[in-house]
Amino acid sequence: KQEVTQIPAALSVPEGENLVLNCSFTDSAIYNLQWFRQDPGKGLTSLLLIQSSQREQTSGRLNASLDKSSGRSTLYIAASQPGDSATYLCAVGGYSTLTFGKGTMLLVSP
Amino acid sequence: AAGVIQSPRHLIKEKRETATLKCYPIPRHDTVYWYQQGPGQDPQFLISFYEKMQSDKGSIPDRFSAQQFSDYHSELNMSSLELGDSALYFCASSLSYAGTGELFFGEGSRLTVL
Repeated sequence: KQEVTQIPAALSVPEGENLVLNCSFTDSAIYNLQWFRQDPGKGLTSLLLIQSSQREQTSGRLNASLDKSSGRSTLYIAASQPGDSATYLCAVGGYSTLTFGKGTMLLVSP
Repeated sequence: AAGVIQSPRHLIKEKRETATLKCYPIPRHDTVYWYQQGPGQDPQFLISFYEKMQSDKGSIPDRFSAQQFSDYHSELNMSSLELGDSALYFCASSLSYAGTGELFFGEGSRLTVL
């Protein structure tokens, strides 16, 4: 059974810092990996999708990498802003569904 | 662009009552997924449908059932509700099955069981 772990569980940084969120998974036989953002009590917003054959994806200030063989992905956020404050969830795509990690709660202070 | 539509957004029920949640996927998406997210928890997979057939089943209680209709919308039926069923229920849709598609999630339906 796929298990997804996210480190750290919570992170507090001042505005402007570059930061890295980590995701690890136990079964490397994956189809893809998605990073989501979730604001409190709200839905899941897809940030980046990396297919299993890809090494990284970029969108604006976000960059996600994937090392399938080692079971790791990182989400890099450049020049963090208070509006980036949210919970970031990593989800690993298996044959028929996504398995989520417990998320990293990010707080960016002005 | 059209997104995944879920209704109702909020629902309050008493214990032992029944609730039905609806999900309208993005047009042309053929796969629908249901997830349950308890307070402070990560989303847990319940069930999925591909081309109107159940494709996978997760930790869905026997009291719950779901189906996908000919227009691809899906409904999650929950009976004999318990306090522990209080959660945010997400529906997601994708264009392709076999994990190769990107999942798009709705805003969720918040169920409160009193």
